[in-house]
Amino acid sequence: GENVEQHPSTLSVQEGDSAVIKCTYSDSASNYFPWYKQELGKRPQLIIDIRSNVGEKKDQRIAVTLNKTAKHFSLHITETQPEDSAVYFCAARTDRGSTLGRLYFGRGTQLTVWP
Amino acid sequence: DGGITQSPKYLFRKEGQNVTLSCEQNLNHDAMYWYRQDPGQGLRLIYYSQIVNDFQKGDIAEGYSVSREKKESFPLTVTSAQKNPTAFYLCASSTDARKNIQYFGAGTRLSVL
Repeated sequence: GENVEQHPSTLSVQEGDSAVIKCTYSDSASNYFPWYKQELGKRPQLIIDIRSNVGEKKDQRIAVTLNKTAKHFSLHITETQPEDSAVYFCAARTDRGSTLGRLYFGRGTQLTVWP
Repeated sequence: DGGITQSPKYLFRKEGQNVTLSCEQNLNHDAMYWYRQDPGQGLRLIYYSQIVNDFQKGDIAEGYSVSREKKESFPLTVTSAQKNPTAFYLCASSTDARKNIQYFGAGTRLSVL
C-alpha cells in the first residue's frame, strides 16, 4: 500500500517567521493530498488540500505545493501566529483497487510558534 | 465539523471486557472510518466502510470489530483480544470514497483500568 513520510516531527518557529512541513509518498497513483490541523485535545480539521493535476494552491497564509515527479508535497505557513501551534498531518489518497478512497496519513508534525 | 457525534468522550475498560464506541453522523455521508491515534504514530486506520452493510479492514484491525447496519452509524467494538487498547479513537466520514474529504468526530479516549 501507500507509505507517507512526514518531516520534521517537531518544528519551533518565532512568531512572524515561516514554517515548512514536508511529506513524501510512495504510490505514483496517489491523486489527492489533504493537510489536517489538530489542536490539543481537538479533532483534526482540514486546512488545505491539493489534487494531482495542480502544482500549487494557496489560501491566505497557507499554501501547499506538489511535485508529482519527485512524489513529495509540502505545507507552507507564512507570518506564523501562536494560534498556528498544533499538530499538522499530511495524507495521500490512492484510488488503486481495493484501497479506493482511503487516506494514508503521515505521523504528524508538532508546530510550536513562540510569541 | 458538526454532524459527527462520538460517544462517550471518555471510556474505561476492565480486563477481559469488550467495549463499544459509538459514531453517528447526520451528514448523509456514504463512507465512514475509524482511526486510532497514539502519540507520535499519526492516524492509523482500523476499519472503514464505503457503503451500508459493507466494511473493510484497515492496517490495525486485529482486536477490533465493526458493523454498518445503518448509513448514519458505524460503531466500533474493542474486544478483549486487543491487548493495548489505550488510545484516542477518531471516527470520520466523507460524502463518498472517491471524493474523500474526511470530517472527524471529537474522539473517544479509551483507557484500561
